[in-house]
Amino acid sequence: DAGVTQSPTHLIKTRGQHVTLRCSPISGHKSVSWYQQVLGQGPQFIFQYYEKEERGRGNFPDRFSARQFPNYSSELNVNALLLGDSALYLCASSLLTARMNTEAFFGQGTRLTVV
Amino acid sequence: GQSLEQPSEVTAVEGAIVQINCTYQTSGFYGLSWYQQHDGGAPTFLSYNGLDGLEETGRFSSFLSRSDSYGYLLLQELQMKDSASYFCAVKAGNMLTFGGGTRLMVKP
Repeated sequence: DAGVTQSPTHLIKTRGQHVTLRCSPISGHKSVSWYQQVLGQGPQFIFQYYEKEERGRGNFPDRFSARQFPNYSSELNVNALLLGDSALYLCASSLLTARMNTEAFFGQGTRLTVV
Repeated sequence: GQSLEQPSEVTAVEGAIVQINCTYQTSGFYGLSWYQQHDGGAPTFLSYNGLDGLEETGRFSSFLSRSDSYGYLLLQELQMKDSASYFCAVKAGNMLTFGGGTRLMVKP
């Protein structure tokens, strides 16, 4: 079985632009979460989706949005990019919501550089 | 909100035992997880403690004390490949909150 796949792997954008990152969870996993990881720090929670509904939101501005599709894949959108948005964006999938005792499986991430 | 504290760096020699501590402050706590991340790689799940006590998985063990808001990851028989960053993470509600990570360097 394929693991969590994310695309693209690397991306360079200019300040003010918009970006869309994509994630395909492990087959059978209905929960997808997004994290931002700045170099040298731990991942920071952005969103969680379960069964196509937003189930959790971290402390990020409204420029960040996401959605989950009927096949459980997900997109993270960031508008009006700032230099500070440069980071590794990680997607994690799990069988159930984070309330349940289940591990999260992470993709390799998308390295976003804003110039 | 949630906050987690863990040492930023730990160095140990091959074959030794190392303990990485994690203290947390959170509301709606469900459990403490540990993840390993090699440079350039994705975080991978190591263990989860939902109840007080010790969980053992091969060379790795993890401990939780809910009353002390404290946990640790114990790595035994260290190998060079264990050099990585280790993150504790609390489950609270529908989110995982990660600590800043502990960079473990294993020396020959």
